[in-house]
Amino acid sequence: ETGVTQSPTHLIKTRGQQVTLRCSSQSGHNTVSWYQQALGQGPQFIFQYYREEENGRGNFPPRFSGLQFPNYSSELNVNALELDDSALYLCASKQVRGGTDTQYFGPGTRLTVL
Amino acid sequence: AQKVTQAQTEISVVEKEDVTLDCVYETRDTTYYLFWYKQPPSGELVFLIRRNSFDEQNEISGRYSWNFQKSTSSFNFTITASQVVDSAVYFCALSETITGANSKLTFGKGITLSVRP
Repeated sequence: ETGVTQSPTHLIKTRGQQVTLRCSSQSGHNTVSWYQQALGQGPQFIFQYYREEENGRGNFPPRFSGLQFPNYSSELNVNALELDDSALYLCASKQVRGGTDTQYFGPGTRLTVL
Repeated sequence: AQKVTQAQTEISVVEKEDVTLDCVYETRDTTYYLFWYKQPPSGELVFLIRRNSFDEQNEISGRYSWNFQKSTSSFNFTITASQVVDSAVYFCALSETITGANSKLTFGKGITLSVRP
């Protein structure tokens, strides 16, 4: 158990819809990252939030957006869903100390876009 | 750009066999961190080990051991006397500094390990 929780566990949406995924960080962690894991692939970095601001972004379009709240929980929003957005979305949290610290992952949200 | 290569895609062994999972990485950073994560069927990534680029000592934790060799840019993972519960997908990952104190992980494609009774 990492202390990182995500909701919902599974989600089915149709193309063009919008979705919000939620993550609750491990206690004491001030940084949250989101990753997308397509079937049979390794996780790909979407973005990271530190002190409620986006702190880095991977190669994902602007329709992927996020928020981090004062209690360090976080949301990932995806607009105008496409079939290729079907994946496992993983949230990871860590306590920043010189960029070296281990990221701890939640169980993920499996999104299916029909 | 950073890159992690896990050339093996699937490995199948019989229980009690030893198995080595290979990882080769590319980076221009002089300071970096390497990780191994385990992903069981439930989907959650479980942290196994972190190794920093200045520490090439091998590490052993129970049945798990890791061999880090900067000269060959490799960070291999060996499971001794494998068990059915070791069946999972294993990912090697490399940290990359984004800004200041923050970093992101670059993952390999993973190795699916099946341990048969």
